[in-house]
Amino acid sequence: KAGVTQTPRYLIKTRGQQVTLSCSPISGHRSVSWYQQTPGQGLQFLFEYFSETQRNKGNFPGRFSGRQFSNSRSEMNVSTLELGDSALYLCASSLMSSVSYEQYFGPGTRLTVT
Amino acid sequence: DQQVKQNSPSLSVQEGRISILNCDYTNSMFDYFLWYKKYPAEGPTFLISISSIKDKNEDGRFTVFLNKSAKHLSLHIVPSQPGDSAVYFCAASLDEAAGNKLTFGGGTRVLVKP
Repeated sequence: KAGVTQTPRYLIKTRGQQVTLSCSPISGHRSVSWYQQTPGQGLQFLFEYFSETQRNKGNFPGRFSGRQFSNSRSEMNVSTLELGDSALYLCASSLMSSVSYEQYFGPGTRLTVT
Repeated sequence: DQQVKQNSPSLSVQEGRISILNCDYTNSMFDYFLWYKKYPAEGPTFLISISSIKDKNEDGRFTVFLNKSAKHLSLHIVPSQPGDSAVYFCAASLDEAAGNKLTFGGGTRVLVKP
């Protein structure tokens, strides 16, 4: 069974630009969550999508948005990039929208904003 | 405001001995707790979880203990093996059925010496 895949793995963008990251969950998984990992703030929850609907949202500004498609693939978008958005962005998938179902993380997308 | 804290950033232990990782939380509404392990350049991998109705859960070499009155949980790894060298994160959720929103601690880097 293929794991969670994230594309691209590495990305360099300039302040003010926007970026779109992609996540393909494990086949059959309907929940996709996104996390931001930085040295200062650690792992922080961005949002969760389940059956194409946003189920949960973290404390991030509106510049961070996401969506989920009918095949459960998910994208997250960051507009008007700031230097502080440099981070590892992780997505995780699980069968259902409940922590009692194991979440599987992808390897992450390393975003560098210059 | 860090609701989940891992006060020891690092831990060094001899192979075969016990590793004890600690985690404290401040939000008494958390009712489900998880531990993840992370190797460099990979996403976190689920290790073990515990519901607030229990005080102990065991899975092979891994045991998690929960002390709700102290808002404290710990992970015991016995015996420790060199392959256990990684960063360990504890995480908490408000409601087992309310989605996959996790609040993570800052992580503890474990080094198991042969």
